[in-house]
Amino acid sequence: DTGVSQNPRHKITKRGQNVTFRCDPISEHNRLYWYRQTLGQGPEFLTYFQNEAQLEKSRLLSDRFSAERPKGSFSTLEIQRTEQGDSAMYLCASSLRAGKNTEAFFGQGTRLTVV
Amino acid sequence: SQQGEEDPQALSIQEGENATMNCSYKTSINNLQWYRQNSGRGLVHLILIRSNEREKHSGRLRVTLDTSKKSSSLLITASRAADTASYFCATDELTSGSRLTFGEGTQLTVNP
Repeated sequence: DTGVSQNPRHKITKRGQNVTFRCDPISEHNRLYWYRQTLGQGPEFLTYFQNEAQLEKSRLLSDRFSAERPKGSFSTLEIQRTEQGDSAMYLCASSLRAGKNTEAFFGQGTRLTVV
Repeated sequence: SQQGEEDPQALSIQEGENATMNCSYKTSINNLQWYRQNSGRGLVHLILIRSNEREKHSGRLRVTLDTSKKSSSLLITASRAADTASYFCATDELTSGSRLTFGEGTQLTVNP
């Protein structure tokens, strides 16, 4: 499978715990995006990387959230001191920045439940 | 924040009928994209239409874009039960750096 891969698919955690999600993009894609989606809503942008550089962060990304893409390949999204409001689907996408108009390919997402 | 507004929020049709979904947005864009999402799954890219294009086809899909009205429509012809899903429009804004801004989606149900 050469698509975008996310792990784990599901995560249940207690409030206050830290969680980390991983995203492996399509291998030749230099852009990687994180989105969050709550039930009944469209995805909301969190952050994106071009290679290893984090180029933009949403105001939704509070200081409890951190994302890395250390070697410009896979990325991790960590949430510290989780809150119930963090419960959502976290989606990763990648694209090849070959011009202005390129499509993004999404992974299956990690569903986080904070209890 | 959500840029797009999609209309209708939910649509229920019979197999074989056509389904039309509309999307409006607020800012200038590079392109507009449509995605499909089956329940609890990731998004599947359907079609991308550039800001200088007015209409695009892909199989049973037809997308139109009216930049003067800041609106787009997705038409699915001869619908099938397997088309049941949520459909989202997403805009790549001129100043965005290629992040996508999604609408809230249309839930399409195709009854066999």
